[in-house]
Amino acid sequence: ETGVTQTPRHLVMGMTNKKSLKCEQHLGHNAMYWYKQSAKKPLELMFVYNFKEQTENNSVPSRFSPECPNSSHLFLHLHTLQPEDSALYLCASSQASRTGGQPQHFGDGTRLSIL
Amino acid sequence: GQQLNQSPQSMFIQEGEDVSMNCTSSSIFNTWLWYKQDPGEGPVLLIALYKAGELTSNGRLTAQFGITRKDSFLNISASIPSDVGIYFCAGHPGGSEKLVFGKGTKLTVNP
Repeated sequence: ETGVTQTPRHLVMGMTNKKSLKCEQHLGHNAMYWYKQSAKKPLELMFVYNFKEQTENNSVPSRFSPECPNSSHLFLHLHTLQPEDSALYLCASSQASRTGGQPQHFGDGTRLSIL
Repeated sequence: GQQLNQSPQSMFIQEGEDVSMNCTSSSIFNTWLWYKQDPGEGPVLLIALYKAGELTSNGRLTAQFGITRKDSFLNISASIPSDVGIYFCAGHPGGSEKLVFGKGTKLTVNP
């Protein structure tokens, strides 16, 4: 039990489908993150939300659309994805800090496969 | 952008042996974190380091924040089969919320 819950754990979708990934944190944190983890690559930061406001979009294609309705919930809406988007998508949370440097706690990820 | 060079990429050891892995950067980092990831799960935080020279232990794990603020190492003593997994270093450069990750060290422990 990490305090960060992601659903679904596995998702297979066609390139024309629309789906959403969900993340919920129970740690009282106020910053949330989406990462992409592909084989043999470092974790890639996609989006950062601090106090529900998006503060980072790491040049992510518009077919990925994040939503953060409150400090505990984070969504990643997916549409018209490409095969190269198949990866493990990880959500993380941390305590936001002006000076930065707070450890991030991760969920177990959604394994996404694009057909 | 900033990069972390983590080595070795993989290690194959016998149960009971000690393990050492490290991470280096060309720029200064304000924090160093070490995570472990098991198959099918997300990274789990093992140790967090906040000050240059800091040495911190968590059971059989010991990590140090390099005095130059450009490197960190993780040692595992008396390895056991459940130590198997991928170990990632990560750090916050210059007060940023953005966490930079190494590529990971894959550890295999033979019983």
